[in-house]
Amino acid sequence: QVQLVQSGAEVRKPGSSVKVSCKSSGGTFSSHFITWVRQAPGQGLEWMGTIIPVFGTVKVPPRFQDKVTISADTSTSTAYIEVTRLGSEDTAVYYCARAATEYSGSDFDYWGQGTLITVSS
Amino acid sequence: DIQLTQSPSSVSASVGDRVTITCRASQRISSSLAWYQQKPGEAPKLLIYPPSRLQNGVPSRFSGSGSGTDFTLTISALQPEDFATYYCQDSNSFPPRLTFGGGTKVEIK
Repeated sequence: QVQLVQSGAEVRKPGSSVKVSCKSSGGTFSSHFITWVRQAPGQGLEWMGTIIPVFGTVKVPPRFQDKVTISADTSTSTAYIEVTRLGSEDTAVYYCARAATEYSGSDFDYWGQGTLITVSS
Repeated sequence: DIQLTQSPSSVSASVGDRVTITCRASQRISSSLAWYQQKPGEAPKLLIYPPSRLQNGVPSRFSGSGSGTDFTLTISALQPEDFATYYCQDSNSFPPRLTFGGGTKVEIK
């Protein structure tokens, strides 16, 4: 059974950075898209970017391109997202999710438990 | 970029009711959408994936339909465990792209 386990909650000061990990177990890792989604308190889901580990391909939407770095370590089946220049608007739960089908990014059937990032001075 | 508009943003319904949620795309979508259910404090759960197929373990009272720009998620007879927020999602694989609708909260009447 596939499991995605994320790193724990963090509190950061404005202007700092944070790196969240997402470790996959059970099943293949490299050939499945890993996507990162965040959810601010009381808000909807927001796509932050996707990585295809086997190709090393990363796609980040324009609004996050100077703010977010996504990476993956295939040797440990772990994906990462780093968010820089944190502001209060970045306070959210950050989720990783794995695509259901190899080499496809159409739907995501396994999700991490979420990591709460709180930005506060 | 494709935008997805869900309606209604919230709906009050009773157990046994039929509930329909609409997701409208700003431009034609070549495939169909995925639909997720999210309960408070939990990660989203995949319900339906393209083309309108039920994820393993999801009750048959859930169904998805639509094409082009208009899509619907229908719950044929609402159960107590169905009170949650529902999101539609469009995507592209190469290059990767994900878009979510704004969500529809199904509340107890």
